[in-house]
Amino acid sequence: DTGVSQDPRHKITKRGQNVTFRCDPISEHNRLYWYRQTLGQGPEFLTYFQNEAQLEKSRLLSDRFSAERPKGSFSTLEIQRTEQGDSAMYLCASSPNNMAGHYNEQFFGPGTRLTVL
Amino acid sequence: KQEVTQIPAALSVPEGENLVLNCSFTDSAIYNLQWFRQDPGKGLTSLLLIQSSQREQTSGRLNASLDKSSGRSTLYIAASQPGDSATYLCAVFNSGGSNYKLTFGKGTLLTVNP
Repeated sequence: DTGVSQDPRHKITKRGQNVTFRCDPISEHNRLYWYRQTLGQGPEFLTYFQNEAQLEKSRLLSDRFSAERPKGSFSTLEIQRTEQGDSAMYLCASSPNNMAGHYNEQFFGPGTRLTVL
Repeated sequence: KQEVTQIPAALSVPEGENLVLNCSFTDSAIYNLQWFRQDPGKGLTSLLLIQSSQREQTSGRLNASLDKSSGRSTLYIAASQPGDSATYLCAVFNSGGSNYKLTFGKGTLLTVNP
């Protein structure tokens, strides 16, 4: 397994369009997270899945954002009616549920860079 | 609400120097603390994970310490190299409550000059 993968790596869109990002976690990691990072800031938590259940959503996740994780495998993050303020790096991470000594060590993917024109 | 602060925001050192990056957090009820490296435009690479019951972790030239009661962690880099140039991020995982997310600092931008 080569780690967490994300697709696409870069996305340029016009304001008002919808975009969808995909994340494939490390195999058998049942926890999956989405974060957003803007320039000069640390990543900020967006949402968390344990298997297919979405257990927590940040207040940053407005009603234009939706995330899914069907069958507890890959996840998608969709942004509807994009705004210029949505421009950021969207990072996905996964972690094992219970691994001795490494509980919730999170492994990040390369991110999707979104630019909204 | 957990807040994580990293000092300094930027650091420039000559190659070969030993250096220390600082991280502080306001809520000491953490489960663990992770240090990450981020290269420009890239994702995060996990460097070290320290459980709340541990005092330090070492990997190669890197040593991270944790003083949970005072809300502090340091990342020590020995014999720095130009390839160490990157942003270093500290993140804490809280126990209890919203215990699913990492809370990050803004990072320290390290430049190692040849």
